[in-house]
Amino acid sequence: DAKTTQPNSMESNEEEPVHLPCNHSTISGTDYIHWYRQLPSQGPEYVIHGLTSNVNNRMASLAIAEDRKSSTLILHRATLRDAAVYYCILGGNRGGSNYKLTFGKGTLLTVNP
Amino acid sequence: DAGITQSPRHKVTETGTPVTLRCHQTENHRYMYWYRQDPGHGLRLIHYSYGVKDTDKGEVSDGYSVSRSKTEDFLLTLESATSSQTSVYFCALSGPGFYEQYFGPGTRLTVT
Repeated sequence: DAKTTQPNSMESNEEEPVHLPCNHSTISGTDYIHWYRQLPSQGPEYVIHGLTSNVNNRMASLAIAEDRKSSTLILHRATLRDAAVYYCILGGNRGGSNYKLTFGKGTLLTVNP
Repeated sequence: DAGITQSPRHKVTETGTPVTLRCHQTENHRYMYWYRQDPGHGLRLIHYSYGVKDTDKGEVSDGYSVSRSKTEDFLLTLESATSSQTSVYFCALSGPGFYEQYFGPGTRLTVT
């Protein structure tokens, strides 16, 4: 399985943008890039996913490098509620056997008031 | 919320006893998953199901079995619990677009 590399931790200030990087140099052509986050004492929460083009939703934006070997999750205005572990995961494009998520250790984001 | 509940939420059991964890969904989604999470590890897939009575193994399936007799329920059984199975167990199901998974609140299992 293709691997991802993320910083162990990052820190930001409330109401400032946050850019969370992820390297995935061995990504295959069919791998989607998924981002999940896990708040303390909760299950992971889906954030966003993409294949080649940049993506936006109500939670975040995903910027994907042209060669797809890296991506960046962008939180436009961090809030205290965004403090969590953020996971960057490569996965297939369908449910079931082609869609097993392999979680790494992720990036622990701390948001300062 | 994706309509996922897990029961029990907390359980303490003794080594060698059987344990069954239940995951229940109200969304009628086809795909369901069981993960475990331990300190120092990310979530690891135990088993998954792609339909009623259709299941397959994940990366850490030894010591676990699953059953899915109806769409809404996915059961995880530890036939004879060991201390190494002390963990937090999360159930998940695939969203309607298959691209995202929605996770339950977790079950904290302690095997003494």
